[in-house]
Amino acid sequence: DAGVIQSPRHEVTEMGQEVTLRCKPISGHDYLFWYRQTMMRGLELLIYFNNNVPIDDSGMPEDRFSAKMPNASFSTLKIQPSEPRDSAVYFCASSSGTDSYEQYFGPGTRLTVT
Amino acid sequence: LAKTTQPISMDSYEGQEVNITCSHNNIATNDYITWYQQFPSQGPRFIIQGYKTKVTNEVASLFIPADRKSSTLSLPRVSLSDTAVYYCLGRDEADSWGKFQFGAGTQVVVTP
Repeated sequence: DAGVIQSPRHEVTEMGQEVTLRCKPISGHDYLFWYRQTMMRGLELLIYFNNNVPIDDSGMPEDRFSAKMPNASFSTLKIQPSEPRDSAVYFCASSSGTDSYEQYFGPGTRLTVT
Repeated sequence: LAKTTQPISMDSYEGQEVNITCSHNNIATNDYITWYQQFPSQGPRFIIQGYKTKVTNEVASLFIPADRKSSTLSLPRVSLSDTAVYYCLGRDEADSWGKFQFGAGTQVVVTP
């Protein structure tokens, strides 16, 4: 298996633009997680899905952020409009429902908003 | 939020054993304690998890006392490549979210 795949790996955009981050989980995993990591705040859980259904999005910072999982093999995290304070590394992770403590992380997307 | 407490940093020399202790005073009764490792510019990587007593794998050992209020990750004979941030995760009894919350972690620096 190729592991968790994220795209793009790097994104540079201007303030006010829409940003869409993409994730393909490991096949057969039924949990999918979105995290954000910054020096100031560390690694923060934004939202997680189980069987494509959002379970808890209380970590999503504000309404500018939205996440979807239209099927078991694809998820998106959208920021609209983007702001400089959204600059961070965004990780996607997936896990199997039988052992949801063991998450497999993707390589991350480094987002820079100027 | 998960209420786990770890040292911010630890230094070690190559070949030594490194022990990182995490406090989780109100750990959920039926949940595992999980440890991850993160190298710069990479996502965290699962290392080990346990419920009680001792668990060992090819990477590390995890010691959990009977009261489960703490756990100790033991890295035997570290090398330079073990320099990384190590995170302890444990769900607070009243918090279903905590299982997936990473704290600040412990920065381990291994020098020759």
